[in-house]
Amino acid sequence: AQSVAQPEDQVNVAEGNPLTVKCTYSVSGNPYLFWYVQYPNRGLQFLLKYITGDNLVKGSYGFEAEFNKSQTSFHLKKPSALVSDSALYFCAVRDMSVGFQKLVFGTGTRLLVSP
Amino acid sequence: EAGVAQSPRYKIIEKRQSVAFWCNPISGHATLYWYQQILGQGPKLLIQFQNNGVVDDSQLPKDRFSAERLKGVDSTLKIQPAKLEDSAVYLCASSPPGTGLGSYNEQFFGPGTRLTVL
Repeated sequence: AQSVAQPEDQVNVAEGNPLTVKCTYSVSGNPYLFWYVQYPNRGLQFLLKYITGDNLVKGSYGFEAEFNKSQTSFHLKKPSALVSDSALYFCAVRDMSVGFQKLVFGTGTRLLVSP
Repeated sequence: EAGVAQSPRYKIIEKRQSVAFWCNPISGHATLYWYQQILGQGPKLLIQFQNNGVVDDSQLPKDRFSAERLKGVDSTLKIQPAKLEDSAVYLCASSPPGTGLGSYNEQFFGPGTRLTVL
């Protein structure tokens, strides 16, 4: 079965510093990988996806993610964090086994950006 | 463009009671999903509709949960009877028609319904 793991429950970073939120995946076949963000009392918002092509994927709000096949990772990055980036971040993988658009989510990483 | 609408936003019930949640997807979106998000966990897909047909309900506890999308537009998720472990946020999402297995269309999420079972 397809799965993703987010090893950090929380990431703390100071405003202006670069941030990384980690995600590793386990899939059979080619991975379709996604990052979503969840702000308090709001639904999930799509940030970016990797389907094929360049290993560096650019997304919304200045975020990017680096796909690394040898390390089975898809880490989310941003060169300079903002306090408003504080939220819950979910990595997800598309499960091809049942239903062709089913997503399997990780447990989430809370990002706290301090002023 | 209006987003995915869900109601109610919050619901508190006693165990063994019934509850229903409503979702109105983005206009024209053929695919509708219901997810359960338990505190501290990622969302888990309960059921996926393509128009008014069920694509995947493998993780829906069918002894107590039911869902319908009668006219291929809005949808209702029901729990009867509720258990303590059903306390969670129930998220509805929709996506536009795809062009086959090789494609992926972004899922747009509603704000969710927070259910507390006492």
